[in-house]
Order: sequence, then C-alpha cells, then structure tokens
Amino acid sequence: DTAVSQTPKYLVTQMGNDKSIKCEQNLGHDTMYWYKQDSKKFLKIMFSYNNKELIINETVPNRFSPKSPDKAHLNLHINSLELGDSAVYFCASSQSSHQPQHFGDGTRLSIL
Amino acid sequence: RKEVEQDPGPFNVPEGATVAFNCTYSNSASQSFFWYRQDCRKEPKLLMSVYSSGNEDGRFTAQLNRASQYISLLIRDSKLSDSATYLCVVIPGYSSASKIIFGSGTRLSIRP
Repeated sequence: DTAVSQTPKYLVTQMGNDKSIKCEQNLGHDTMYWYKQDSKKFLKIMFSYNNKELIINETVPNRFSPKSPDKAHLNLHINSLELGDSAVYFCASSQSSHQPQHFGDGTRLSIL
Repeated sequence: RKEVEQDPGPFNVPEGATVAFNCTYSNSASQSFFWYRQDCRKEPKLLMSVYSSGNEDGRFTAQLNRASQYISLLIRDSKLSDSATYLCVVIPGYSSASKIIFGSGTRLSIRP
C-alpha cells in the first residue's frame, strides 16, 4: 500500500564502494525526484525525471547516476562513495512538476 | 540573499497558543508554493498548498504575499502533535524544469 517506497532504508558501507538505492511509486505520477538531506537537515533536489526523461540535474558529482526504467521507478546509483555522501536520500513523486510531492521514507546512507 | 529563507527557530510555545512563521523568497516570478512538515527522522509530508487567495485547513492557514514576496503559515490552538519542522517550498516559473527550492525549515516545539 506504500505510495512511494525506497530500498534499502539503511545503508552502511565503506568509502570507495559503489551502491544503489531503488525507488518505486504506485501513484501513477509522471514525475519523480531524488533529494539529499544532509546533517544540517537542508533538503536539496538532485534530480527530477518526467516520464523517464531527465528534467532537472542539479550540480551533483557525476558519481551519482539516476536511472528511470519506467515512470514508476527511479533508481540512484552512486560510484566511489565518499565520506561527504553520508546523508539521508529521499525519493519523491508528483503528478507534474508543479504539484505537491509524496516522499518515500528515506535511505540513511553512512560511509565508514 | 538566499532564494528561500526561513527563521530556523526553534519556536517554543505553550499548547493552545497561536503561532505564525514566514518564508521569504527572492524570485518574484515564483509560481507555486507549499508548506510541508517533517517530523524527526521522518520524510517531509505535505501540509498544504498556498494559493494566491490564501488557504485554510482546520487550524492551519496559509497566505501568500506577492508584493513582499513571502508566504506565511498560521497555526491556531496548537497541539503537542504540531511539534515538527515546517518547510516551505517555492517553485519559480512554469517550466517542468523549474528548480524546486526547499527552505531550511522552522522548528516548532509545543510544550504542555
């Protein structure tokens, strides 16, 4: 029944590793997003996809690569993880880019 | 000037009190505005959209002041469960590629 689900909920890994976070929404929304919330709780958009097409690509290191196999899924792959990548990553979706967003419950990434 | 600014608080008010806080934005072309609440270690959840004519939902009232470029949130008869961080969201422009900007949040704590 969960509208926006992301996995895993917790991810603890070593510096230099590659990891992926998956996100799925069952709301029939056209737009999906990835956000990063750092230790200061500032929520910043990373990427936005509309119907599988990349719309917003903020200034994010190219170690971060989003992939949208269909409009219900938006995954995030991160290469060569660094200490500064430790944060909570939220996936969200909305009917269109100017509509309210529904968030997943976050993936807490900790880099050792 | 930051694109979106909020007083970080914390606002510490007694149960039953009325509390209000503002969110200022720098881009006069901004078109869409929302208030979200985020509980500790949880995802942001939509509280209400902010319309040009204002918006009221029970104890919550949101207003938009385009001339002074801010949105406001008023909470009447505050409850303990209102304790949370309140985030404003501003979307400048109509394009689907418009950047979505979250404020850094205002912390509200309701005491018995």
